[in-house]
Amino acid sequence: DVKVTQSSRYLVKRTGEKVFLECVQDMDHENMFWYRQDPGLGLRLIYFSYDVKMKEKGDIPEGYSVSREKKERFSLILESASTNQTSMYLCASSQWQGQGAGETQYFGPGTRLLVL
Amino acid sequence: QKEVEQDPGPLSVPEGAIVSLNCTYSNSAFQYFMWYRQYSRKGPELLMYTYSSGNKEDGRFTAQVDKSSKYISLFIRDSQPSDSATYLCAITSGNTPLVFGKGTRLSVIA
Repeated sequence: DVKVTQSSRYLVKRTGEKVFLECVQDMDHENMFWYRQDPGLGLRLIYFSYDVKMKEKGDIPEGYSVSREKKERFSLILESASTNQTSMYLCASSQWQGQGAGETQYFGPGTRLLVL
Repeated sequence: QKEVEQDPGPLSVPEGAIVSLNCTYSNSAFQYFMWYRQYSRKGPELLMYTYSSGNKEDGRFTAQVDKSSKYISLFIRDSQPSDSATYLCAITSGNTPLVFGKGTRLSVIA
């Protein structure tokens, strides 16, 4: 079974703190993603990576950065946490299987971040 | 116009009912269609996957894709309280990030 793990289920941080959210997958997937999920807004893509050391901005990258030093690990960084970054953060990984098979994203359990 | 539209609900049905969940999309290049199920305080998990048009059935679940209308559906037969969750449609043209609907919250009442 594919497993995507996230370092914390719940986090409470103060405004201005630097926050690291870690994600690890064990299926040797090329692709990894970070989303945030808010009521009424659905899943929004923050950053994604199709290879080690590679990153692409998603729909809402402002206030975030990412790091992918190893294939299995994708970190999301909040440089200076703000209250509007209080959210559920979800990591996912996938592997392109080719035309017709496509790809399936496997999600981690999520991290609920509260910024006070 | 948003790329994927999904009615957020909430949708409440009695146990045993047939449930119909739907999404519409705007980009005719989309050809991979997925439904994810998300239980409260958990990550989404893949429920159904369809490539191009047509129907796909898996137990009580049926996914339909109508590319001419840019409309996808998920049907749940004999719904159970354990089906209570948020259902998200997700679509892509292939090897590009998924575009998700906002999700429909479903409650199946015993």
